[in-house]
Amino acid sequence: DTGVSQDPRHKITKRGQNVTFRCDPISEHNRLYWYRQTLGQGPEFLTYFQNEAQLEKSRLLSDRFSAERPKGSFSTLEIQRTEQGDSAMYLCASSLDPSLQERSPPDSGNTIYFGEGSWLTVV
Amino acid sequence: AQSVAQPEDQVNVAEGNPLTVKCTYSVSGNPYLFWYVQYPNRGLQFLLKYITGDNLVKGSYGFEAEFNKSQTSFHLKKPSALVSDSALYFCAVDQENQGGKLIFGQGTELSVKP
Repeated sequence: DTGVSQDPRHKITKRGQNVTFRCDPISEHNRLYWYRQTLGQGPEFLTYFQNEAQLEKSRLLSDRFSAERPKGSFSTLEIQRTEQGDSAMYLCASSLDPSLQERSPPDSGNTIYFGEGSWLTVV
Repeated sequence: AQSVAQPEDQVNVAEGNPLTVKCTYSVSGNPYLFWYVQYPNRGLQFLLKYITGDNLVKGSYGFEAEFNKSQTSFHLKKPSALVSDSALYFCAVDQENQGGKLIFGQGTELSVKP
């Protein structure tokens, strides 16, 4: 188990450019989440997937943001026409649906594991 | 609406002394409560969680937390602090059957001095 992987770890982009972040969850996890964290704040929920279905999106996720998880494995988060206010760390996380817990190590359901994050700086 | 409060921006402790990082929550229904730790420029590492059962839960690195329903609190504790415990600590809440959409507190900076 290599944990949740995110790429790239750091991205500096000019305002107006598009950026894409990739997340590879823990292999047996069917839920995948995106959060955003700005300096001095706790992470804020953006969106989550169960398998390939995007089940919820926060109001924080403007039309310039789109997330996909086409085969229920890795996910991408794209930000179009970046703005300086998009500068933040984008965190990906994954978990196992608690209803599937019997097939996993005890008490592992409901625990959400985070990746190292992708820092975005818009200049 | 769900919310989490960490009333202290910073906690300073001498190495070897006990530490407490406070967290209170507001949620309708049964809360799922979590503590995460974040080191500089890193992601969040899971420490422990309360779902149900024993109010005292033990987690990684010698940390524990006590769920107190009447006070709606979930304070993080450690009997003897280490300098390496210095980091940013986040309390988070998830409402039962909400799919794991965590609501985080603002974070508490723990500083352990030798």
